[in-house]
Order: sequence, then C-alpha cells, then structure tokens
Amino acid sequence: TQLLEQSPQFLSIQEGENLTVYCNSSSVFSSLQWYRQEPGEGPVLLVTVVTGGEVKKLKRLTFQFGDARKDSSLHITAAQPGDTGLYLCAGAQRGSTLGRLYFGRGTQLTVWP
Amino acid sequence: DAGITQSPRHKVTETGTPVTLRCHQTENHRYMYWYRQDPGHGLRLIHYSYGVKDTDKGEVSDGYSVSRSKTEDFLLTLESATSSQTSVYFCAISGQLKRANTGELFFGEGSRLTVL
Repeated sequence: TQLLEQSPQFLSIQEGENLTVYCNSSSVFSSLQWYRQEPGEGPVLLVTVVTGGEVKKLKRLTFQFGDARKDSSLHITAAQPGDTGLYLCAGAQRGSTLGRLYFGRGTQLTVWP
Repeated sequence: DAGITQSPRHKVTETGTPVTLRCHQTENHRYMYWYRQDPGHGLRLIHYSYGVKDTDKGEVSDGYSVSRSKTEDFLLTLESATSSQTSVYFCAISGQLKRANTGELFFGEGSRLTVL
C-alpha cells in the first residue's frame, strides 16, 4: 500500500500550457517535499512545505500544502521543455525522529516544444 | 552539489552471487539511506543509518544487509542476489534535521544492478 498517491502518473503537454500535479494521503505529515528527477540522475529537492495551508513559489512553480497536512499540489505555469522530468512528492511522518521520507510513485512530465 | 558518490554505477551479475554497493560521502552528514527505484513503485527505503554502526530496516529490507563502520561509507550487500533485486539503487544523505523533522535528502547518481 502506497502511503502517498500521486496523480496523474503521466502527463504530456505542449510548451506554454499550465498543469497541476497532486499528492494525496489519508495520513498526516509533519512536512512534505517535492523532488525532481532527470534520467540517469538522483532526485533533487525543489521545495519543503511544513505548515498546513502553506503556499510556496519557485519562479513558475507553485507548491501548496493542504490545510490538514494530508495532501499537496504542484502547479506549473507556462510549462517549458526544461520542466520535463519525474516529479516526486515525499512526506515525513509525525513522530519520526530520523528524517525518514515516504515517496509517492511520481508523475512523469513531458513538455513538448 | 553534495559530495556523494556511488560505486559501481552499473553492474550485471548472476543469481545467487553476492553483491556490495558502496556509498561514499564527504559531507560528514549523520544520516544515510539506501533506496531502490522500480517502475510503478517509486522510491522505497531499504535500510538507513543514523550514525556509525547504527542502522535500521526500511520498508523493503528482506534480502539486504548494510554496514556503516565509518561516517563517510554506507555499504549495501545482497548476500545472494535474485532477479527481483534488479533495480536502480540510490544512496541518500541528510544532515541536521530541521523543524518538523524535515531533512533535505541529497541523492547519489544511482547504481543500476541487473541480476540475470
């Protein structure tokens, strides 16, 4: 059973379009992180959200943590081919003291020129 | 970039043979993790370490063992490799945990293992 469910699993869009990726759970998390992974490389952290309702912006990327801290979304405005990659959400559970993260299966985004 | 290297980067082996993957860090980070990444499953934690000689199991630890005799090295061993252990293995490190138990993971480039 996957603790974090990401949707959609695959997303293929044209340059300039907007998109949203979702990360949902029935569990509460103390924090959620979003990573981006390119082929042949390890994931790289994009953002960490820790407060329910928190919104963070990173250029064209907007991240939101749900009020109940059970879900998160990633919105990309005017997608570019350079945004292509695997987007992973990861959550730290309350009470865990060792920085363990649980990952979703990821959303594979392809942006065509 | 965090100083983390994995070796070997690619390995092909036969069922039943032992395999050891090495993760080396130059950041003096306390926490080290081994994940495997498979299509349809995402990243799953195998084992982790919270200090020298301090290790614990993750979600998918069966068939794997680890050792950490020095801060900088974390070894993952498959005592007798099976085809189900064909995967891409990622080592990750994390330093001081921040508020809300949040630690940024720095990943290595991965080790692709094929068990025939």
